[in-house]
Amino acid sequence: DTEVTQTPKHLVMGMTNKKSLKCEQHMGHRAMYWYKQKAKKPPELMFVYSYEKLSINESVPSRFSPECPNSSLLNLHLHALQPEDSALYLCASSQTGGAYEQYFGPGTRLTVT
Amino acid sequence: GESVGLHLPTLSVQEGDNSIINCAYSNSASDYFIWYKQESGKGPQFIIDIRSNMDKRQGQRVTVLLNKTVKHLSLQIAATQPGDSAVYFCAEANNNAGNMLTFGGGTRLMVKP
Repeated sequence: DTEVTQTPKHLVMGMTNKKSLKCEQHMGHRAMYWYKQKAKKPPELMFVYSYEKLSINESVPSRFSPECPNSSLLNLHLHALQPEDSALYLCASSQTGGAYEQYFGPGTRLTVT
Repeated sequence: GESVGLHLPTLSVQEGDNSIINCAYSNSASDYFIWYKQESGKGPQFIIDIRSNMDKRQGQRVTVLLNKTVKHLSLQIAATQPGDSAVYFCAEANNNAGNMLTFGGGTRLMVKP
């Protein structure tokens, strides 16, 4: 099973809402990632978790709050977002201990109104 | 929203022809390289990877070539099919720097029937 699942597939939220994006993998990977992707651009790394600990935060605004409840799950909590935060949010996972292929989920298409 | 006037480089090929997608990388310390295919509305899908101790690696209908002297990576797709139409991203990483992938800008492949 090389599948990373993400929910919801689409999300529309207002600037005062609080919502969460969810990601799950069952490949035994101990590294998980959140990326943001704008149209016609490559994915931009936001956060990296390694062994359920946040190891990289690429200067992401605090209105994005990641959480890794266990080795299979990754959440991204959203609060007080701006319209420019509208994008495709991708979750990925990989083995740890070096550079390995990352497996991506299908993404959550987020629209902030 | 989308950036007006921003265009991805596009390669247009006839069905059945071979395709070559190129990528230049800048970090001479990078020693792991990977190609992803991203179809519209989906997450990036792993195609093939290569480590710097190799200069060529073949998969099913795909070949990756690495020229470390000029920091150039290419993806060759044999007998291109309509299902190959997508955006292709290269990415690089440094095995000693852990899990972080740095993505290139992407190339759109369009296959004409």
